Amino acid sequence: DGGITQSPKYLFRKEGQNVTLSCEQNLNHDAMYWYRQDPGQGLRLIYYSQIVNDFQKGDIAEGYSVSREKKESFPLTVTSAQKNPTAFYLCASTRTANYGYTFGSGTRLTVV
Amino acid sequence: QKEVEQNSGPLSVPEGAIASLNCTYSDRVSQSFFWYRQYSGKSPELIMSIYSNGDKEDGRFTAQLNKASQYVSLLIRDSQPSDSATYLCAVGRSARQLTFGSGTQLTVLP
Repeated sequence: DGGITQSPKYLFRKEGQNVTLSCEQNLNHDAMYWYRQDPGQGLRLIYYSQIVNDFQKGDIAEGYSVSREKKESFPLTVTSAQKNPTAFYLCASTRTANYGYTFGSGTRLTVV
Repeated sequence: QKEVEQNSGPLSVPEGAIASLNCTYSDRVSQSFFWYRQYSGKSPELIMSIYSNGDKEDGRFTAQLNKASQYVSLLIRDSQPSDSATYLCAVGRSARQLTFGSGTQLTVLP
């Protein structure tokens, strides 16, 4: 079955540590996105990529980095520069107009 | 001004009633409108899309769009306890660049 796989489901980060969240899709979608969700604040866009080897910053890109070396994969690294990374991270993808986004199951990141 | 605003809720309705969820948006050239349902601790799932003015029905769900008033709504008829979730409105100039509202939490009381 096609879908988006995010891993891990839960992740714990120590102060000063970089961590990478994985996002893989087998839907043959061109565009992929990373969102952060905090309680009561909806979804905020971190980065997005419309094609391989190209990506753009979203509204809250500071302290995050991404890569898009393959169509199927769009990993997100939360760097030590992100001072408040505890949140629910969602990866999404879409094919073309009129299909909306398909979301992965999310990664819950906690700073310990 | 927020780009996409939803009635903040929480909204409670009795089982069998109609739940009405509202969303307004600021970008007049928006062309794509979606409603997502998100259960607690889970990721959003797409339940409705609408692109033209008027109503679109799918089972118990009806989406309504009025581009002149920059308003989109979701009606849930015969509400069930399983409909209890947060509903997210998403709006964009295309389906490849959406802005999400902060969501409305709906509780359907048995």
